[in-house]
Amino acid sequence: NAGVTQTPKFRVLKTGQSMTLLCAQDMNHEYMYWYRQDPGMGLRLIHYSVGEGTTAKGEVPDGYNVSRLKKQNFLLGLESAAPSQTSVYFCASSYGGEPRTEAFFGQGTRLTVV
Amino acid sequence: EDKVVQSPLSLVVHEGDTVTLNCSYEVTNFRSLLWYKQEKKAPTFLFMLTSSGIEKKSGRLSSILDKKELSSILNITATQTGDSAIYLCAVRYGGSQGNLIFGKGTKLSVKP
Repeated sequence: NAGVTQTPKFRVLKTGQSMTLLCAQDMNHEYMYWYRQDPGMGLRLIHYSVGEGTTAKGEVPDGYNVSRLKKQNFLLGLESAAPSQTSVYFCASSYGGEPRTEAFFGQGTRLTVV
Repeated sequence: EDKVVQSPLSLVVHEGDTVTLNCSYEVTNFRSLLWYKQEKKAPTFLFMLTSSGIEKKSGRLSSILDKKELSSILNITATQTGDSAIYLCAVRYGGSQGNLIFGKGTKLSVKP
């Protein structure tokens, strides 16, 4: 049982380049999330999705776009990477509709923008 | 603005000590509060709390929610070096229940 899988695990981008981070979950979860984690800042919510075909903005959505075309996948896109987007990105998923549902996390993607 | 605030931000103790970590929140339409432990990589789930006054316990760790005070505490008794980690508090809130935001975390260091 793979759980939540993120690809790639590491990436170095040049300023202005674009890339897509892929998150896949095999637990049939309704909700999926993208967070970024910076030193001393905890996890900050970028975007989230409460079901296939839906997305919503979190705390820090600027500079990112997302898509949830299939229930099991949640993509995070950077159209024009900036050094401020250097961070560790975590994807998470959870069941929906109940408050008693924890989120399960992927192993993270370390992105460096130079 | 919806927010989750944890304190202290960092803490250094010796093995055998008892620690209490705090989490307070200000959100619209609270649903649940979650505690996670993060060592080197992904956060791992510890507890989920939805009802006030009911303690959740797992080994040396325990947690309780106070909805009147909009806060929760995480207690760790008889700390061990393996408890060294960042402890994250998160709150699920909002009409769709999709919103899940985290505090900045408490970095706990347990010295031998």
